[in-house]
Order: sequence, then structure tokens, then C-alpha cells
Amino acid sequence: GAVVSQHPSWVICKSGTSVKIECRSLDFQATTMFWYRQFPKQSLMLMATSNEGSKATYEQGVEKDKFLINHASLTLSTLTVTSAHPEDSSFYICSAQSYRGSIAEAFFGQGTRLTVV
Amino acid sequence: AQSVTQLGSHVSVSEGALVLLRCNYSSSVPPYLFWYVQYPNQGLQLLLKYTTGATLVKGINGFEAEFKKSETSFHLTKPSAHMSDAAEYFCAVSGSSGGGADGLTFGKGTHLIIQP
Repeated sequence: GAVVSQHPSWVICKSGTSVKIECRSLDFQATTMFWYRQFPKQSLMLMATSNEGSKATYEQGVEKDKFLINHASLTLSTLTVTSAHPEDSSFYICSAQSYRGSIAEAFFGQGTRLTVV
Repeated sequence: AQSVTQLGSHVSVSEGALVLLRCNYSSSVPPYLFWYVQYPNQGLQLLLKYTTGATLVKGINGFEAEFKKSETSFHLTKPSAHMSDAAEYFCAVSGSSGGGADGLTFGKGTHLIIQP
């Protein structure tokens, strides 16, 4: 299967600073990537859809100015949490879209645990 | 609109016993259904998926699931639990067969505990 790599796997930052999380498709090109957020013992919630070369589409309730998404190449999307606060502490997971024939399949990264202190 | 309900946030079974994790969905379009497994601090691994055709779907690690349209269910089973099956399991629905076209809607997850 296709491989998606997320970096870093965990990060601790001070309140008020910004953190960048990278999502890379290692062996395929992904025109679309998705960013999810998972609170402890809860499900994954789709935050935004990232399309290469265009602006991301954010889900309702997600602050686009706080969660900056850049998808500058077909193998890399980044999520930057700006001015992080403790309530932003969460597990962030990306998935990248790979086509098998005409079917778009989703492959997930290993996730990034963000802790804001 | 789509939604997924997983009954039971925690399920505990003995090693060697039957595993049954329940999932019900609602969808305004023909659903594509998925089961994922998540180990602590890791991403999601696809166990199996239903797209079209046979309603009994076999996946990895001995898991299988049956799509029942009349019951709007997609329950996950495994005949004999192993200790290594202990993890979080998520049921998900998508409007696209690969789950990759428009994202996935996840259930809240079921934590599977295996008793020795």
C-alpha cells in the first residue's frame, strides 16, 4: 500500500508559539490530503481538505487563521497551528488520497501528538 | 449527511473468544463503509471495507464484517481474539468507494480489551 509519513510524531511547545506538522506521501503523488484532529478517547474529526496548488477547504467551526494549511507540492502538505494554546493539544492525523484506477483511496499518516504547555 | 454510531465505547473479551464490534450508519447516498484499527499513538490502519458486491467482507488479521442494508449495520467480527487485537477500532462511512475523495466520517471508536 501507499505510505504516508507525518513529522514530527510528537511535539511539545509553549503557549503562544506556532507549530508546523508535515504530511508527506512517500511513494505516490497526492493532489488531495485531509487533516483530522482527535481528542483523547474520541473520534477523528475532519478539519480540512488540502488541495495541491489551491486554498484548503475548512470544515465548519475550524478556524482557518489558526490552522494554516499549505499544499505546495504533490507530496507535501503542512499544517501550522498558530499561536497555540493548551486547548489545541490533540492528536493530529493526515491522510493522503491515492488513486487506484478511478477509485480514490485514503492512506493515513502515523499522527502527531501536540502538547501545548 | 452521514453519521456513524458505534455501540459500546469499550468491549472486553477473553482471549480465544468471539469479537463483535457494532457499527450502525446513516447516509443519504449509497454508503461505502470502512473499519480501521488504531494502536496507541499511531495512525489508522485499514482493516476492511465494503464498496459494492458481496456483503460479507473479509479483511486483515482474521477480521470480517457484514453489510446489512436493512439494518443499516456493518458489524465487525473475529472468531477468536488474540492479545494483539487489543486496540481502538473505528467504523467510518464515506460517499466515495475509497474514502479518499471527500474524507471519512468516523464513529467514536470502540476500545477492545482482551483478557488473558
